[in-house]
Amino acid sequence: GAVVSQHPSWVICKSGTSVKIECRSLDFQATTMFWYRQFPKQSLMLMATSNEGSKATYEQGVEKDKFLINHASLTLSTLTVTSAHPEDSSFYICSAREGGASYNEQFFGPGTRLTVL
Amino acid sequence: GNSVTQMEGPVTLSEEAFLTINCTYTATGYPSLFWYVQYPGEGLQLLLKATKADDKGSNKGFEATYRKETTSFHLEKGSVQVSDSAVYFCALAQGGSEKLVFGKGTKLTVNP
Repeated sequence: GAVVSQHPSWVICKSGTSVKIECRSLDFQATTMFWYRQFPKQSLMLMATSNEGSKATYEQGVEKDKFLINHASLTLSTLTVTSAHPEDSSFYICSAREGGASYNEQFFGPGTRLTVL
Repeated sequence: GNSVTQMEGPVTLSEEAFLTINCTYTATGYPSLFWYVQYPGEGLQLLLKATKADDKGSNKGFEATYRKETTSFHLEKGSVQVSDSAVYFCALAQGGSEKLVFGKGTKLTVNP
């Protein structure tokens, strides 16, 4: 099946620094990528949807200037958490979908655990 | 808005036991319904899905039936194995939309 990787798998950073998380589709071209956030014992919450070569669409309540998303190629999307604070600590998950007009399956990465001290 | 409610875990069973994980949803119209499974250290994988009322999704011995009258999509398996230990997520997508709405997940542990 299709494989999506994330890097790093976990990261610890100091408050005020920025952290970049990569999401790669390894064996298919991902027209669309999604970024989710998961709090402990909570469901995955969609943060934003990005299409290759265009600006990401953010869900209501998600700060676009804080969570910068870039989808510059068909196999790579990045999420940068700028000026991170402890409340940004969470599990971030990406998914990727091949192109097509109808709903296609999303393939998920294993997630990145971010801890902000 | 759309939402998914699934039973609280964790669930612990012995091998060959019967499994039910309840899932109910709130949505307008006719959403598609999904079960995803996340094995330790891996990403979520689509387990099964149903796109209209009375459809039954099935895969790897797991089944779930789309019940519009009870707005439910309960996951069942007749005989679980140790390898089924994972976190299971129920999800919906509003008709034609690619946006998934997830439940909180239910952790299943199967003991030999």
